[in-house]
Amino acid sequence: DAGVIQSPRHEVTEMGQEVTLRCKPISGHDYLFWYRQTMMRGLELLIYFNNNVPIDDSGMPEDRFSAKMPNASFSTLKIQPSEPRDSAVYFCASRVQLDTEAFFGQGTRLTVV
Amino acid sequence: KNQVEQSPQSLIILEGKNCTLQCNYTVSPFSNLRWYKQDTGRGPVSLTIMTFSENTKSNGRYTATLDADTKQSSLHITASQLSDSASYICVVFGTGGFKTIFGAGTRLFVKA
Repeated sequence: DAGVIQSPRHEVTEMGQEVTLRCKPISGHDYLFWYRQTMMRGLELLIYFNNNVPIDDSGMPEDRFSAKMPNASFSTLKIQPSEPRDSAVYFCASRVQLDTEAFFGQGTRLTVV
Repeated sequence: KNQVEQSPQSLIILEGKNCTLQCNYTVSPFSNLRWYKQDTGRGPVSLTIMTFSENTKSNGRYTATLDADTKQSSLHITASQLSDSASYICVVFGTGGFKTIFGAGTRLFVKA
């Protein structure tokens, strides 16, 4: 398995634009997580899915953020409209079960100018 | 308030030397604690996972300890290598739903 695959690796966009980050979890993993990492706040859990269903989105910062998982092999995190303070590295991770090891993707480095 | 504090924030050591990173937490109730290694520009990779009943767990040159009474954990790296240069993140999982608290990490630099 190629592991968790995220795209794009880097994204630079202008304030106000819509940004869509993509994630392909490891096959057979029932849980998918979106995290954000910044120098100031470290790693933060944004939302997680179980069997494609959002379970906890309490970490999503604002209504500008939304996440979907239309099927077991694909998830998106969308920011609309984007703001400079959204600049961060966004990680996707997947797990077989909640208490098992998390496998992280390479991350998407987002820069909003 | 549930918190995870790591120390030191950063550390520079010479190749071949040992070092110990600390993690103190106040997360309760506690499920397990994990140490992750994050190389620059990459996602975190799990090193160890420790449950309430475990005191020590090793993974090669990495040895993690856990004292659930004092709510402290440490990660000891033996005979450091240049490739150990990375951020080491302590993550504590609570029970009763998925409660994850991340430490800010310790940035380790290993010099030749």
